[in-house]
Amino acid sequence: SQQGEEDPQALSIQEGENATMNCSYKTSINNLQWYRQNSGRGLVHLILIRSNEREKHSGRLRVTLDTSKKSSSLLITASRAADTASYFCATGGGSNYKLTFGKGTLLTVNP
Amino acid sequence: DGGITQSPKYLFRKEGQNVTLSCEQNLNHDAMYWYRQDPGQGLRLIYYSQIVNDFQKGDIAEGYSVSREKKESFPLTVTSAQKNPTAFYLCASKKGQGVGETQYFGPGTRLLVL
Repeated sequence: SQQGEEDPQALSIQEGENATMNCSYKTSINNLQWYRQNSGRGLVHLILIRSNEREKHSGRLRVTLDTSKKSSSLLITASRAADTASYFCATGGGSNYKLTFGKGTLLTVNP
Repeated sequence: DGGITQSPKYLFRKEGQNVTLSCEQNLNHDAMYWYRQDPGQGLRLIYYSQIVNDFQKGDIAEGYSVSREKKESFPLTVTSAQKNPTAFYLCASKKGQGVGETQYFGPGTRLLVL
C-alpha cells in the first residue's frame, strides 16, 4: 500500500519561480524523505527529515514536517530547467526497514 | 566508483519465460530492495533483504523470486506466473537499519513483453 500522497500530481512553472509540493501520509513515522527521479532514471535522495524535526534546509530545498497534520512540504526556490523531474516523498515507519513511496509530483520548469 | 548497477537496461520477455534482472552494489550495504514502478505511479516494494541469505516479501511479491547469496548481489527473477510484468524495475540498497538511513538506487531495468 502507498502511504504518501503527493499534491499536486503535476506542476508547471517558469524558471526562477518557486515550486511547492505537498505530501500527506496516514500512519506514524520515524522519518520522511524526499527523492527526485529524472525521466527513465533511478531515484536520487534529496533530503530526510526526522519526526522530531519541523524544518530542514539543503541548498535551494526547504522541507517542513507537521506530524499533527501528517503532512510535509518540499519547496524548491529559484527553480531551474534542470529541476524538471518527478519528486516523491517516502515515509519510514516503526520497523524502519522499508520505505513507503507516494505517486509523485511531476515538476516541469519552463526556461 | 561506488554505487549500484543494474543490468540489462532493457529486457524483453516472451510468453511463459522466466527472466532475471541483475542488481549489484559495492557500497557494503546490508539491506537491498526491489521495487516496481508503473507509468505515472510511485514505487511498490516487491522483495527486500536485510542480510545475506535472508529476504522478505514486500507488497507485490507474487510472480517474483529473489536470492541473496552474496552481500553485493540481489537478483530478481520475474517468473511466468507474473501475468503483467511490463514495468520499470528499480533496485536499491541501504547501509543498515538505523533511523535516518537513506536508500541508494540503481538506474533501473525496463522490462517489456514480446
